[in-house]
Amino acid sequence: EPEVTQTPSHQVTQMGQEVILRCVPISNHLYFYWYRQILGQKVEFLVSFYNNEISEKSEIFDDQFSVERPDGSNFTLKIRSTKLEDSAMYFCASEYSRTNEQFFGPGTRLTVL
Amino acid sequence: KQEVTQIPAALSVPEGENLVLNCSFTDSAIYNLQWFRQDPGKGLTSLLLIQSSQREQTSGRLNASLDKSSGRSTLYIAASQPGDSATYLCAAEDSNYQLIWGAGTKLIIKP
Repeated sequence: EPEVTQTPSHQVTQMGQEVILRCVPISNHLYFYWYRQILGQKVEFLVSFYNNEISEKSEIFDDQFSVERPDGSNFTLKIRSTKLEDSAMYFCASEYSRTNEQFFGPGTRLTVL
Repeated sequence: KQEVTQIPAALSVPEGENLVLNCSFTDSAIYNLQWFRQDPGKGLTSLLLIQSSQREQTSGRLNASLDKSSGRSTLYIAASQPGDSATYLCAAEDSNYQLIWGAGTKLIIKP
């Protein structure tokens, strides 16, 4: 069964460093998402991406964040100059069409020291 | 602004019991409502998706209902098993195509 994959599973970085989180969505899906979950808190929407551009983004998704689909398979989230409060689990999701089921990857745990 | 609430926050029941988890949302203008399971430190597993035009969906021992007018969804688990122990999350897709999440119900099934 097709699945969303994410790498790495755990990333440790120093405050101020840049990190890139990678996702491979399900191959025939068209909509891609990033969410985050700070330990003990609700899952939060960050951004959605369709047709090589951002469709929607939340207030959390400020200038330190960026997304891109550099090739036909990968979908990446870049965080420039990481902060302690960026420590969280980051989930990628993909969806075949709008308002259908979103399928989630296993997540990347980001720890900023 | 859409807000999603789940009660109870935690629930512990003996194996074999039927149980109901509740999810409420403040804005009825949703495209769908999705239920997920999350095991400790793990990812999000989709259980059921109910489109806004539907009233319920079933998968095995799970049944989810949706009442948009009252802003409520329930997840019914029949004949609970220890392997059902996990945190159950509901998420409503709002008019901006964003999933808005509840805080979850932590379920423990005692053998």
